[in-house]
Order: sequence, then structure tokens, then C-alpha cells
Amino acid sequence: GAGVSQTPSNKVTEKGKYVELRCDPISGHTALYWYRQSLGQGPEFLIYFQGTGAADDSGLPNDRFFAVRPEGSVSTLKIQRTERGDSAVYLCASSLGRMTPLHFGNGTRLTVT
Amino acid sequence: GQQLNQSPQSMFIQEGEDVSMNCTSSSIFNTWLWYKQDPGEGPVLLIALYKAGELTSNGRLTAQFGITRKDSFLNISASIPSDVGIYFCAGWGTPGGSQGNLIFGKGTKLSVKP
Repeated sequence: GAGVSQTPSNKVTEKGKYVELRCDPISGHTALYWYRQSLGQGPEFLIYFQGTGAADDSGLPNDRFFAVRPEGSVSTLKIQRTERGDSAVYLCASSLGRMTPLHFGNGTRLTVT
Repeated sequence: GQQLNQSPQSMFIQEGEDVSMNCTSSSIFNTWLWYKQDPGEGPVLLIALYKAGELTSNGRLTAQFGITRKDSFLNISASIPSDVGIYFCAGWGTPGGSQGNLIFGKGTKLSVKP
């Protein structure tokens, strides 16, 4: 597709469960980012990949959060033992490379009950 | 850490009016980006600014990168109903900061004047 694709668009899970969120970036974009957006706030950085490696994971809130990008394209954000405070919209973005504008997907709305 | 402050937080527009919003920081930013977000969608890039003093237009939108590198403004001329939404400024800080960590303001929400 032409843009960043995120699946699922909505995810409802029970507290304590494990979830995976998927991101398919724009073809040819080497950089991939995960952000989290709470209601009324701007997106907050979680992790950034350059190719297959996580170049900066300083935004991950704790060790329940993990992300992979094994082949340098699709990425999966994984959240273990979900908590109600994890409820938010998780946005994925990609860019051509260093310091180039990010292009965002429509996000996955995660609700933890 | 570095923060971006956007003002106003919200504003009402009447069709045909010009709109102005700005973004400030206590520290220097090397790049300013302006995004618009509609409900249920991700932010969409409007304008990117790379040099201090740069003035860039995109249709009815005009944005400027402040000379001090600590601020930017976005103007919308002759607003139309589809301009409603949330506008975010974003930027990368000074060298040494993470290139992955694009910092966002909290947004300016544009609504239609009742």
C-alpha cells in the first residue's frame, strides 16, 4: 500500500493478557518508529528502528514492552501482562532515514479492561 | 527534557477567517514539523522547516522557523470547515539528542464556531 499500515485498528484485551500490534511501513523506508498517544496529548516516543536494529528504545516505559523488526520491514510491538494504564492509541511511523519527516499510520487503539 | 509548548490549546474558527497558532521551546530545535490529526487517524505532515528564518507555504498554510530556533508559527488563511482538527508541532532537538525521538507539543484543537 501507499501508506503505513497498522493492524488491528482496535484491540480490547483483559488486564494481564499479552498483545501484539503490527506495523507495515512505507516501502523503502528504512526508519520505523513507535509512538503512544493518550487522550488530549501529543504522541510520545517509544522506540526507533534503523533497519533491523533498535537504535533507540529509551521511550519504552518498562520491560513489559518490547518491539522487533526482524527483516527490516514489518515491525511488531509486544506488550506483556497488560495493565489498564497501557490503554492508548499506539502509532507507528516510518521515514526515509535520518532526520526526515515521519509518516504515520492510523494507529491501533488498545483498551485494557 | 526538551518540551514544546503550543498555544492556544483550542480555538474556534468561522469559515473565511485567518487562523494563527504557535509553538515555543526553552531549548533550540533543529527542525520543526507541523502535523494535523483528524479523529481516528494518525497525524498527517503539513509542513517541514529545516533552517532558522525559513518561511514555507503549502496552499493556504504558511509556517515559519523562528530566528532563535526556539519557536515556530503556523498560519491558515481563509479557513474552511475541513480545517477543523488538532494541529501538532514537532521537532528534533540539538545534536546529541536522539534522532528517533521526534518531540511533539500537546496540540491546538480547531473547532467550528457555534
